[in-house]
Amino acid sequence: KNEVEQSPQNLTAQEGEFITINCSYSVGISALHWLQQHPGGGIVSLFMLSSGKKKHGRLIATINIQEKHSSLHITASHPRDSAVYICAAPPQGGSEKLVFGKGTKLTVNP
Amino acid sequence: NAGVTQTPKFQVLKTGQSMTLQCAQDMNHEYMSWYRQDPGMGLRLIHYSVGAGITDQGEVPNGYNVSRSTTEDFPLRLLSAAPSQTSVYFCASSYSRYPNTGELFFGEGSRLTVL
Repeated sequence: KNEVEQSPQNLTAQEGEFITINCSYSVGISALHWLQQHPGGGIVSLFMLSSGKKKHGRLIATINIQEKHSSLHITASHPRDSAVYICAAPPQGGSEKLVFGKGTKLTVNP
Repeated sequence: NAGVTQTPKFQVLKTGQSMTLQCAQDMNHEYMSWYRQDPGMGLRLIHYSVGAGITDQGEVPNGYNVSRSTTEDFPLRLLSAAPSQTSVYFCASSYSRYPNTGELFFGEGSRLTVL
């Protein structure tokens, strides 16, 4: 079974700082998800990536399939980025299921 | 498009009562799934479906029942509620039967308390 580990568990930053959240997994996969859960509870998909890098506004996600590692970066962080960030991957390649990390709670102070 | 609609948002049950959490999507998605989210734990898969008439168990299926009679709807039934089922429940859908290959869409969540 794929073990999905996120670090750090909690992260506090000042507005404007560059943020990095890490996700590592134990089983080779083809792609993984990054999700965002706001304090209100709703979950939205940020990225699904299988290689290299994707960028959406101030958010950048990278993945290294060989090293079984992905990172989510936030440039010029803002208080509205405060949320829990979750990565998710299949338990093995070609699976109809997903295994989720426990999440990283980010707080950005003004 | 409404996306994924999940009801109710809040529910309080007594031990032994039964209830159904409703989930509907209007995106013609093949894949639908139910998760529970507990403090300090990641989302855990309860049941999933890859199409009408097809369901399968996830990581924590005990005490829950599902059916998929239409592409749109995927209700989750609690047969005899227990305090251990107090949790926040999310329904999610994806175009592909392999959720790792397409964007995930989540409902707003249902907070269930079992007394």
